Amino acid sequence: AQSVTQPDIHITVSEGASLELRCNYSYGATPYLFWYVQSPGQGLQLLLKYFSGDTLVQGIKGFEAEFKRSQSSFNLRKPSVHWSDAAEYFCAVGRKNAGNMLTFGGGTRLMVKP
Amino acid sequence: DGGITQSPKYLFRKEGQNVTLSCEQNLNHDAMYWYRQDPGQGLRLIYYSQIVNDFQKGDIAEGYSVSREKKESFPLTVTSAQKNPTAFYLCASSLGLAEETQYFGPGTRLLVL
Repeated sequence: AQSVTQPDIHITVSEGASLELRCNYSYGATPYLFWYVQSPGQGLQLLLKYFSGDTLVQGIKGFEAEFKRSQSSFNLRKPSVHWSDAAEYFCAVGRKNAGNMLTFGGGTRLMVKP
Repeated sequence: DGGITQSPKYLFRKEGQNVTLSCEQNLNHDAMYWYRQDPGQGLRLIYYSQIVNDFQKGDIAEGYSVSREKKESFPLTVTSAQKNPTAFYLCASSLGLAEETQYFGPGTRLLVL
């Protein structure tokens, strides 16, 4: 069965610092991979997705992620964090052979220090 | 504006009561989904529907029921059999199946009185 692990439950960074959120997955084939962001009490917004091709994908709000097959990872990065980036971030893997169902990681809550 | 609406924003359930959460989309999407979110556990799939009049159980369907009589609507009923219903419920939709991005509604928070 597929699974997604986000090892860091909470991360605190200073505004202007770089950010990397980790995501590891377990899946038997090349997965579809997603990063979503959630503000408190709100729904999820898609940041970026990987289906195939270039393993470095660009998303909205200055985020990017790199798919590394050898490490089963899809880490999210941003070179300079803004206070408005404080939110919860979810990595998800799509199950190709079961419709479009997503398996989500447990999430990483990002706090930004001024 | 196109999007997904969920109502109500907050819902209170008494013991032994069934409650229904609404999800409507005007994106002309074929597929719709219901997720449950608990703190520290991410999102878990309850039910999904690929087309009208068809739906499938997800990972945690026990104590829940759904219907899909219209393309735009996918209501979720939390039955009295669901012993721990307190959670944040999120509805999503997508154009179809594989490779399609899921778009999420704003969520409904269900609390037990």
